[in-house]
Amino acid sequence: DTEVTQTPKHLVMGMTNKKSLKCEQHMGHRAMYWYKQKAKKPPELMFVYSYEKLSINESVPSRFSPECPNSSLLNLHLHALQPEDSALYLCASSHGGNTEAFFGQGTRLTVV
Amino acid sequence: QKEVEQDPGPLSVPEGAIVSLNCTYSNSAFQYFMWYRQYSRKGPELLMYTYSSGNKEDGRFTAQVDKSSKYISLFIRDSQPSDSATYLCAMTDRGSTLGRLYFGRGTQLTVWP
Repeated sequence: DTEVTQTPKHLVMGMTNKKSLKCEQHMGHRAMYWYKQKAKKPPELMFVYSYEKLSINESVPSRFSPECPNSSLLNLHLHALQPEDSALYLCASSHGGNTEAFFGQGTRLTVV
Repeated sequence: QKEVEQDPGPLSVPEGAIVSLNCTYSNSAFQYFMWYRQYSRKGPELLMYTYSSGNKEDGRFTAQVDKSSKYISLFIRDSQPSDSATYLCAMTDRGSTLGRLYFGRGTQLTVWP
């Protein structure tokens, strides 16, 4: 099983809302990632968790708050987003180091 | 100069054609190479991964790595309309324990019947 499950698939939120994106994997991967992808662009790294600890924050605005409750779950809490934050948000996982990464289907976020 | 360069296309070929997709990279520390296929509005799907210079084949797909030239390729034989997607190359740095991916910008492929 190489599945990474993301919920919800679609999300529309207002600029004053608080919402959360969820990601789950059962491959025993120790590294989990959040990427943001705009149309016709490659994914851009936002956060990396390794062994449930935040290891990389790519200078992401504080309105995005990641959380790793356990080794299988990754959340991204959203608050006071801007319309330019509308994008496809992708979760991925891997064993870390030089190994392949598996992506979820993404959450398509629209901020109105 | 970006660390990973990939021609964005678009590339349009007839069904049955052989497709060649390419990436070049500048960082000699890049060690592990992946190709992803991404359909519109979906997440990237891992197609091929390879570590060594040389060829790796899986069905209609062949991944080729030339570390001396810092050049990787993906060949698709007998292309099908269902292969129409964006293809992303990605690679990892041997110095990193975190598995961070460095992506090319993606090549948009259309295979017409």
